[in-house]
Amino acid sequence: DAGVIQSPRHEVTEMGQEVTLRCKPISGHNSLFWYRQTMMRGLELLIYFNNNVPIDDSGMPEDRFSAKMPNASFSTLKIQPSEPRDSAVYFCASSFWGNYGYTFGSGTRLTVV
Amino acid sequence: AQTVTQSQPEMSVQEAETVTLSCTYDTSESDYYLFWYKQPPSRQMILVIRQEAYKQQNATENRFSVNFQKAAKSFSLKISDSQLGDAAMYFCAYRSGETSGSRLTFGEGTQLTVNP
Repeated sequence: DAGVIQSPRHEVTEMGQEVTLRCKPISGHNSLFWYRQTMMRGLELLIYFNNNVPIDDSGMPEDRFSAKMPNASFSTLKIQPSEPRDSAVYFCASSFWGNYGYTFGSGTRLTVV
Repeated sequence: AQTVTQSQPEMSVQEAETVTLSCTYDTSESDYYLFWYKQPPSRQMILVIRQEAYKQQNATENRFSVNFQKAAKSFSLKISDSQLGDAAMYFCAYRSGETSGSRLTFGEGTQLTVNP
């Protein structure tokens, strides 16, 4: 298994631009999570899905952030418009109900200038 | 809401020695899972060890073991025979067992340095 695949690995964009982060979970996993990691706030859960359905999006900071999971093998996190304070590492993780831990992707380092 | 606290921002250990990283958590639930994750400079989050709250026996994975004290809500990680490759940020995490597929709540992390 290739694990959780995230793309791109690095993204540099200008303020005001739209950014789309992508994630392919492990086949057979039914839960998918988007986390954001910063020095100031640590690891924060943004949103998670069970069986492609958003369960809790209370961590999404603003309406500028949106996430979709159109099928079991793909999810996106979109920021529109992006701002410098969105600069962070964004992780996607998947699990089978979470009982055996979550498998994380390699993360996307986003820099908004 | 559950909280996870790691009171040691930084720790260091000599190669081949043993080090213990501390973690406490706050919850009113009786069914839950606890995890330790390792994040090396590559930034990959790697699962080190997990513990089910209903199990009294402490989990062990090779050189890594935990001391799970349910009444005290404490979950420390012991690394024996430390190796240079163990240098990383270590995160303690909590997951409710009462809701399937629920979130992981992370502590602030402990940066471990291994000195040769």
